[in-house]
Amino acid sequence: GENVEQHPSTLSVQEGDSAVIKCTYSDSASNYFPWYKQELGKRPQLIIDIRSNVGEKKDQRIAVTLNKTAKHFSLHITETQPEDSAVYFCAASKGPGGGNKLTFGTGTQLKVEL
Amino acid sequence: NAGVTQTPKFRILKIGQSMTLQCTQDMNHNYMYWYRQDPGMGLKLIYYSVGAGITDKGEVPNGYNVSRSTTEDFPLRLELAAPSQTSVYFCASSEGSFGANYGYTFGSGTRLTVV
Repeated sequence: GENVEQHPSTLSVQEGDSAVIKCTYSDSASNYFPWYKQELGKRPQLIIDIRSNVGEKKDQRIAVTLNKTAKHFSLHITETQPEDSAVYFCAASKGPGGGNKLTFGTGTQLKVEL
Repeated sequence: NAGVTQTPKFRILKIGQSMTLQCTQDMNHNYMYWYRQDPGMGLKLIYYSVGAGITDKGEVPNGYNVSRSTTEDFPLRLELAAPSQTSVYFCASSEGSFGANYGYTFGSGTRLTVV
């Protein structure tokens, strides 16, 4: 089955700096790659996603890039703010044809320091 | 529009007891899922369903059962609870149509402790 690896497990940045979280996946049939943000004690919330026919997607301060050849994708957060502090999870699926089952990475604890 | 509703929010079970975690969604989503999240870990898929009457195992199904009699409801049954089932359980749903929004909507979670 699919295996998703995520790095780093913890990331500390100064407010205003950029943060980058990287993930790799094993199944070349995967075609959907979302990112979720989870605050302490809360449910995961979708923040951005990308499909395999697109190399990059941006939404204000967050962006995701996908390299299908290398089977890795990354989350970029610019101009970080204290409210960006949370755990971020990457995930991969084969889309509706495969039941859209998401395989999650183990998460990155992002801490934005003042 | 409530989204995905899970009950209960917290529960303590004794070893060997059974319980059902309830999940209902009002978005008419075809696909529904149950995940567990252990401390400091990602989410692991327990069971999923692509429509009423259809269920299938995920990565960690042992000790659990599900049913999907309606589009809205997807309960998770724990039989003979064990300490290894102590976890936070999330129910989620997605549209399931090609070209649609593939993103999951999660419920608020159930924190289960087995003692």
